[in-house]
Amino acid sequence: DIQMTQSPASLSASLGETVSIECLASEDIYNNLAWYQQKPGKSPQLLIYYASSLQDGVPSRFSGSGSGTQYSLKINSLESEDAATYFCLQDSEYPRTFGGGTKLELK
Amino acid sequence: QMQLQESGPGLVKPTQSLFLTCSVTGFSITSGYYWIWIRQSQGKHLEWMGYMTYSGETFYNPSLKSPISITRETSKNQFFLQLNSVTTEDTAMYYCAGGDDGTPDYWGQGVMVTVSS
Repeated sequence: DIQMTQSPASLSASLGETVSIECLASEDIYNNLAWYQQKPGKSPQLLIYYASSLQDGVPSRFSGSGSGTQYSLKINSLESEDAATYFCLQDSEYPRTFGGGTKLELK
Repeated sequence: QMQLQESGPGLVKPTQSLFLTCSVTGFSITSGYYWIWIRQSQGKHLEWMGYMTYSGETFYNPSLKSPISITRETSKNQFFLQLNSVTTEDTAMYYCAGGDDGTPDYWGQGVMVTVSS
């Protein structure tokens, strides 16, 4: 299985700041990476697919980048509604595997 | 608008089987997409369990400790997860989802399952 190492496990940031979350794959996943946002008590919601394509309805302050084994999710101009846990998912091979998650707290 | 809803017992005893139902509305499970089961432990780790395609093909995560089976009832537009010989490690929130190629896009709300005697 492809292992997905996500960092940091948690971070705290202020409104208006910009943050980045990283995912490192154990092998090349050829941009086959998705990012999800999960708010407390809710199911995950797809934000980005194919590493950098924004899902319909997702604010443009979210962006994804990367290639090979290294990928990142960037959130510009943090808003209060961005407080959530973020997960990456590799969809290059089966079984699909998730990163461990990053809990984003707003100060 | 596609919607998915999980249902099933909230409590299962160790060594018993777990059977969960995912009811899909707004889209026929035989028209397209992969129909996926995912679970999330209390530590928040997400585990992709397997899928059934719109044509009935299945794939199960070989890393799962307990054997699983995904089946469907097309007349009711439902698909199911059976997990055999459960242990306390199977305690989790279980989600059903639909999406392309096994990548979840549309998610249900989840159903909490506790394995305890």
